[in-house]
Amino acid sequence: QVQLQQWGAGLLRPSETLSLTCSVDDESFRAYCWSWIRQAPGKGLEWIGDINENAGTNYNPSLKSRVTISLHTSKNQFSLRLNSVTAADTAIYYCAREKLEMATKPDAFDIWGQGTLVTVSP
Amino acid sequence: DIQMTQSPSTLSASVGDRVTITCRASQFISTWLGWYQQKPGKAPKLLIYQASTLESGVPSRFSGSGSGTEFTLTISGLQPDDFATYYCQQYNSYPNTFGQGTKLEIK
Repeated sequence: QVQLQQWGAGLLRPSETLSLTCSVDDESFRAYCWSWIRQAPGKGLEWIGDINENAGTNYNPSLKSRVTISLHTSKNQFSLRLNSVTAADTAIYYCAREKLEMATKPDAFDIWGQGTLVTVSP
Repeated sequence: DIQMTQSPSTLSASVGDRVTITCRASQFISTWLGWYQQKPGKAPKLLIYQASTLESGVPSRFSGSGSGTEFTLTISGLQPDDFATYYCQQYNSYPNTFGQGTKLEIK
């Protein structure tokens, strides 16, 4: 079973940059699209964006101006950067795999990381 | 964006009950819909994709139906492990969007 392991800074000040990395323990990494999803405390799920095997990206328009998702193929990793954070960005951030190989459209998420709580506080 | 609306927001039921959760999309999404179960402190778990296909390893008491704009998740014979929050997700078009969640509580 493929596993995702994620990490990154958990406490940020307003205006700083959120940076998270997700590592995939399987060589099938190159065959899938990978997403970042977040969940504010006590709230629902918000998709942030994804990246495919060719490093092509799609972002949620609500966050697009501040988000960068990157692929690090040699390390089987992908990463999230979110600029100019505010308290509204406080959430648990998840990385996730999109279910179908070589997907050319959005997909369901079949494997998830453990989540990273990021708190933005002065 | 396609808005996903779940009902009810909270559902109280007993072990052994059959329950149904509804998810409505603001636009036609064919059968590009998934259902997830989330327990406190855990990542969501995919239960059903393409509206009615059971993910590998998910018990058969879970079933999904619907197409177009209206979908249902049914749990037949609730087990203690099923009390959790459930989310629907459309993946017909970007951005992926989720319903607000349905919390299934023990009566």
